[in-house]
Amino acid sequence: EDQVTQSPEALRLQEGESSSLNCSYTVSGLRGLFWYRQDPGKGPEFLFTLYSAGEEKEKERLKATLTKKESFLHITAPKPEDSATYLCAVHPPGSTLGRLYFGRGTQLTVWP
Amino acid sequence: EAQVTQNPRYLITVTGKKLTVTCSQNMNHEYMSWYRQDPGLGLRQIYYSMNVEVTDKGDVPEGYKVSRKEKRNFPLILESPSPNQTSLYFCASSLAATNEKLFFGSGTQLSVL
Repeated sequence: EDQVTQSPEALRLQEGESSSLNCSYTVSGLRGLFWYRQDPGKGPEFLFTLYSAGEEKEKERLKATLTKKESFLHITAPKPEDSATYLCAVHPPGSTLGRLYFGRGTQLTVWP
Repeated sequence: EAQVTQNPRYLITVTGKKLTVTCSQNMNHEYMSWYRQDPGLGLRQIYYSMNVEVTDKGDVPEGYKVSRKEKRNFPLILESPSPNQTSLYFCASSLAATNEKLFFGSGTQLSVL
């Protein structure tokens, strides 16, 4: 069973059309939830870390939020350069510090 | 420039021929980790290292070995590669395991025939 589930698997948006990506997790007592962006042929690039329910972080057109069971990555007025795969990862509790579980990602395409 | 360097970028090999994928970071990071990425499965952790001489298994360690003799290097060894190890491999590092910001290398695309 996946510890982290991302939805949708793929999302196509017109430029300027705001939307949200979802990351739900099954573990309780999360040590941290992370968002990464991955462009084709490249390694993931860090975006945000969230630690507790109610926390929010923003960067340009992206805003990440966290509840007790899920996180959302809100994209406001996206541009074609926001097209990428967005990955969510969690640091579960009770496991060795070094473990990190990734979701399968949401592939976002923004067309002009 | 701060970076994680993986080599080679692409590798085609045959079943059973031992290979090593190198990973080096220049940021004096304590924590390093290896992942494989397969279509539809996402990133799965193979091994990680909290510091020099300290390594531990991730989700999919079978068929892989690692070593951490120096802080900057964390090679991934496939003693007897098999076709099911065909994948895109990423090395990553961070200041410490408690530090959330992982820096990833550019990846190694491995094909085992």
